[in-house]
Amino acid sequence: DIVLTQSPDSLAVSLGERATINCKSSLNLLASSDNKYYLAWFQQKLGQPPKLLIYWASTRESGVPDRFSGSGSGTDFTLTITSLQAEDVAVYYCHQHFHSPLTFGGGTKVEIK
Amino acid sequence: EVKLVESGGGLVQPGGSLRLSCAASGFIFSNDWMMWVRQTPGKGLEWVATIRGDGGDKYYVDSVRGRFTVSRDNAKNSLYLQMNSLRVEDTAIYYCARGSGWLVYHWGQGTLVSVSS
Repeated sequence: DIVLTQSPDSLAVSLGERATINCKSSLNLLASSDNKYYLAWFQQKLGQPPKLLIYWASTRESGVPDRFSGSGSGTDFTLTITSLQAEDVAVYYCHQHFHSPLTFGGGTKVEIK
Repeated sequence: EVKLVESGGGLVQPGGSLRLSCAASGFIFSNDWMMWVRQTPGKGLEWVATIRGDGGDKYYVDSVRGRFTVSRDNAKNSLYLQMNSLRVEDTAIYYCARGSGWLVYHWGQGTLVSVSS
């Protein structure tokens, strides 16, 4: 199984500051068939289901604010929130859909400092 | 608007059975892969099962294979998860999700399954 290791487990960031979340995969998530990274990011607010933010490692889902961005390649990926807003308090998960079984990272809790 | 509404969760004893349902609307249900994903405080998010649009191919995580069965009724825009031989470790919130291929694309609100004596 592909293991996704997220870091840090939690972080506290001041409003307007940058938050950076890392996700390391145990396997390269690049598909040679289409040259895409099969890595996505979700946001889960308290009491709600996860919501898709980023797919193909760096493509923002429709309606997601542009302060959210994804980057990375190979086995190392990053979710960046460039200017943290109060509504961004949530747990963030990375997810690989490259190989069955689908797996998720352990989550990173983002709070306001 | 895409809507996925789960039902059928509840409290069941170990060894018992439950059938979860998911009513879908707002998209062409038969075109899309559908899946079940569960969440627990201890194990986090865990993919459970996926079924292709025509229902022909089904995939399961090892821990549920042989005990759970995913199915769909495209005429009713509904997804199901038959869970047999339930174990304490199956306790979780179960989410119905729409897939874009293998990508877990859109999630329902979830239904709680508790397995306890």
